[in-house]
Formats: sequence, structure tokens, C-alpha cells
Amino acid sequence: DTAVSQTPKYLVTQMGNDKSIKCEQNLGHDTMYWYKQDSKKFLKIMFSYNNKELIINETVPNRFSPKSPDKAHLNLHINSLELGDSAVYFCASSQGGTAVYEQYFGPGTRLTVT
Amino acid sequence: SQQGEEDPQALSIQEGENATMNCSYKTSINNLQWYRQNSGRGLVHLILIRSNEREKHSGRLRVTLDTSKKSSSLLITASRAADTASYFCAPYSGAGSYQLTFGKGTKLSVIP
Repeated sequence: DTAVSQTPKYLVTQMGNDKSIKCEQNLGHDTMYWYKQDSKKFLKIMFSYNNKELIINETVPNRFSPKSPDKAHLNLHINSLELGDSAVYFCASSQGGTAVYEQYFGPGTRLTVT
Repeated sequence: SQQGEEDPQALSIQEGENATMNCSYKTSINNLQWYRQNSGRGLVHLILIRSNEREKHSGRLRVTLDTSKKSSSLLITASRAADTASYFCAPYSGAGSYQLTFGKGTKLSVIP
């Protein structure tokens, strides 16, 4: 069974469009995360979220918004896509609400904005 | 959250050799985690070492932590081609936020 899954795996779209990436975890974890990995392989935290608190990295544009229908899902919605949004986006989850616990990552979604 | 800095940026070794990569950080930590990323895949957790631990083993992996020098090292013994990947450290300060910040990693190539 896949622990953390993301869909789609690849997403090619045009500038200005709105798109969503879905993430699901079946580990029973309380906290989920979104990361962005750019072309230089630099992995940056975008959001962390549990049922109590959303923490947003201050560098993330407000065009990005996480949406959590339930504890097992944290989707990433992106408005008005820009060329610079092209990257690989990773979802992750961890037990509890602190980084004391290891994080489990999804396989990634490669977003290409043309 | 603080970012670890991995060194070297790239490392190339022959299969069977040992590989050592280092991580430095700036402020005191609660724990430090090491992750591996194979090309095109998500990160996989390897080892978590707490601030009161000096060494930890997991199979062919050995992690050391020197809090006085604010540094950690990851040793992979008897490397295999399948160990080819990027390795990241993530120091966690425990200061409220539970986010991890990753550096640029060490890219390890194990040549068969």
C-alpha cells in the first residue's frame, strides 16, 4: 500500500491557469506538508498543516493555498500559474504535530508551466 | 526552523568503498534527521538522532552528532550502486514550528 500518494504525477499547463494537486496519506498521521523542489534541487517547505494549525512559509505567494477536506488529505491549489511555478511539488506527512517525528514523502508532482 | 548545510556537494566513489558526508548547522537542536532522495523520487527518511545521542546505526548507515561543533556526519559502509542518490540533513530546533528545512544535499554517485 502506498503510504503517501499524489496525483497527478505530471502536470503541464499554461500560464494563468488554476490547477490543483491532490495528496492522500494512509498512515493515520496528524500533520501534512507541501514542499517545492526547484530545478537546482533545493527543497523548500511551503506549508505545514494539522487539524489545529496552518503554518505558511512567508515566501509562498498567496496564489498557493492548501485545502484539507479531512485529516488524510491535503490538496494544493494554485491560482494564476506563472512560469516560475514550474517545479516538483512533494507532499509529506508525519505523526503528531512536531518535527520530532520523521516525515514520509509522496512521489512528487512535476509541474510544468508553459 | 534552520537549514543544514551538507558537504561535499557531490561525491563519487567505487562500489564497495565507504562514503562520508557532513552536515553543519548554526543553532542548538532538538534532533537532526537524514534523508535520501533517489532521482525523480520523494525523500526517504534514514535516521533521526537526538541531541543527547552521539552515534546511531541503521544497517550500513552510521550517523554521528557533535553538538559542540554543530555538525553531523553520515557514513555509508560498503556502498552499492543503489546508494546513488542525494542525501539531505534536516536539523530541528524544536522552537515552535515543526517544519523541516533542507539544504542542497550531497549528491552521491556509486560507480559499479
